[in-house]
Amino acid sequence: AQSVTQLDSQVPVFEEAPVELRCNYSSSVSVYLFWYVQYPNQGLQLLLKYLSGSTLVKGINGFEAEFNKSQTSFHLRKPSVHISDTAEYFCAVSRNDYKLSFGAGTTVTVRA
Amino acid sequence: GAVVSQHPSWVICKSGTSVKIECRSLDFQATTMFWYRQFPKQSLMLMATSNEGSKATYEQGVEKDKFLINHASLTLSTLTVTSAHPEDSSFYICSASPPLRWNEQFFGPGTRLTVL
Repeated sequence: AQSVTQLDSQVPVFEEAPVELRCNYSSSVSVYLFWYVQYPNQGLQLLLKYLSGSTLVKGINGFEAEFNKSQTSFHLRKPSVHISDTAEYFCAVSRNDYKLSFGAGTTVTVRA
Repeated sequence: GAVVSQHPSWVICKSGTSVKIECRSLDFQATTMFWYRQFPKQSLMLMATSNEGSKATYEQGVEKDKFLINHASLTLSTLTVTSAHPEDSSFYICSASPPLRWNEQFFGPGTRLTVL
């Protein structure tokens, strides 16, 4: 079984400040890791994914994440946020069965 | 590419009626689609895996007779909420994986169901 823990339920941040969203997972086997963003009343959009290879993954909209196998973490970062980054962010993991398990989500609110 | 649509985007129905939600992959064929349910301010919970030409695989605790899933073609899966009740009110989201990208899911925009 696998589970995903997003350590912060809400993250307020000022515009142009950096942000980090934390995600830890537990799994007895190798996993694939994802970060999705959800804007109000919309579906999910993939920000980035880690399948294999380099542990530093760059995604869309200036986001990046680092896979740390020893700490079983996949934290998401952005060096400078915009008002438009206000959204819900979900970390997810999957194994070879293709099924995604999601974390509880982190609400990011960017203030001017 | 890899666009998934859902219809309708929102629906209001009376208790006891059935509602059908469509999920379409617009620019690719999807042998597998997934249906999720999301309660307000909560995460997505996988309901079932929809396989083209075969029966859906439901997650534990999901009533297969209440949530009927049909995957009639490689681009269309439908979720029918039968005899809907207010507790079925939720945001339903589907996803699909393009060929050779089995480890990626592309999500539809979701359907907001409100049962009165």
